Amino acid sequence: GESVGLHLPTLSVQEGDNSIINCAYSNSASDYFIWYKQESGKGPQFIIDIRSNMDKRQGQRVTVLLNKTVKHLSLQIAATQPGDSAVYFCAEVYTGRRALTFGSGTRLQVQP
Amino acid sequence: DTGVSQDPRHKITKRGQNVTFRCDPISEHNRLYWYRQTLGQGPEFLTYFQNEAQLEKSRLLSDRFSAERPKGSFSTLEIQRTEQGDSAMYLCAGDRGSTEAFFGQGTRLTVV
Repeated sequence: GESVGLHLPTLSVQEGDNSIINCAYSNSASDYFIWYKQESGKGPQFIIDIRSNMDKRQGQRVTVLLNKTVKHLSLQIAATQPGDSAVYFCAEVYTGRRALTFGSGTRLQVQP
Repeated sequence: DTGVSQDPRHKITKRGQNVTFRCDPISEHNRLYWYRQTLGQGPEFLTYFQNEAQLEKSRLLSDRFSAERPKGSFSTLEIQRTEQGDSAMYLCAGDRGSTEAFFGQGTRLTVV
């Protein structure tokens, strides 16, 4: 079946360092992979997406890498700031569907 | 603020009671989704509307759950005969046909 999972439940980094959050997926028939950020008490917030036919996509301070050979997705955050502290979810959109399938999340803690 | 509002933010109910939640998406959102999120987990898809048509329902959506989107604007999610296992955050999201879904802040349901 479909599954999206994350390697590490908690990631702690120093302010100013780069962060890398990883995600493994099992479904090869996905159109998109998406990263969401969820702060306490709020709904998930879209960060960046990547089509399944791409390897890399960059946004503002974020880069998503997709390795379809090993079914691995990563989110890189440059110069991590305290405001980046949150839970990060990867999600996929399965071909022919609209719904998001989320993983269980990684908590990013930014130490001052 | 994503522009998607949910009401109420919190609901405490006794087991066996019925509850109804409301979601008001951004007016341009022709697609509307309901998700359920339990502590420490990623959101799980429940159901999806395109305009007023309910196009997909998850197996999680038992016959005690019903969702409507009359006139393709706001949506309601009703849970009948609530059970303790229904305790969760219920999230609504909308999109305009892209991968960027805008989530509301959710309704936290506690069944006692």
